[in-house]
Amino acid sequence: AQSVTQPDIHITVSEGASLELRCNYSYGATPYLFWYVQSPGQGLQLLLKYFSGDTLVQGIKGFEAEFKRSQSSFNLRKPSVHWSDAAEYFCAVINTGTASKLTFGTGTRLQVTL
Amino acid sequence: GAGVSQTPSNKVTEKGKYVELRCDPISGHTALYWYRQSLGQGPEFLIYFQGTGAADDSGLPNDRFFAVRPEGSVSTLKIQRTERGDSAVYLCASSSTPTTGELFFGEGSRLTVL
Repeated sequence: AQSVTQPDIHITVSEGASLELRCNYSYGATPYLFWYVQSPGQGLQLLLKYFSGDTLVQGIKGFEAEFKRSQSSFNLRKPSVHWSDAAEYFCAVINTGTASKLTFGTGTRLQVTL
Repeated sequence: GAGVSQTPSNKVTEKGKYVELRCDPISGHTALYWYRQSLGQGPEFLIYFQGTGAADDSGLPNDRFFAVRPEGSVSTLKIQRTERGDSAVYLCASSSTPTTGELFFGEGSRLTVL
């Protein structure tokens, strides 16, 4: 079965600094990969997704992620963090071609200091 | 509203009681999902509906949990004989493109079983 590992439970960065959140997946074939963000009082929101093609994908709010098959990774990055980016970030994977069972990691909580 | 709506937002009940949680998906979304998020964890899949039928209920933990979607829109998650371990945030999501993993989540219903 597919699985997702987010090794960092909590990360603190200063506003304006760059950010990288790590995600490693376990899956036999090429997976569909996602990053979702959960802000206080809001539902989970899709930031970006990777299906195939260009391994560097752009998302909303200035986020990007790079799929690296050799490392089984899909790390999320942002060049300059804003205080409003403080939230919990979840990496997720889905079986290609199926319509259910997004498998989420345990999440990384991002704190932004001013 | 335009988003996924879940009620109640908070529910406190006593062990052994029956609970219903309601989800009103985005209009026109044929796919509806229930997830459960325990403290410090990522969301875990419970059940997926395509239209009125449960296409995948493999995530339901036991027969105390049941969900319906009789008219292909609103769904209700039903929990019988609640246990303290059922305490969690129950998330509902809907999608118009279920095979892509692009889900729109509600804010969740927080269930506390005393």
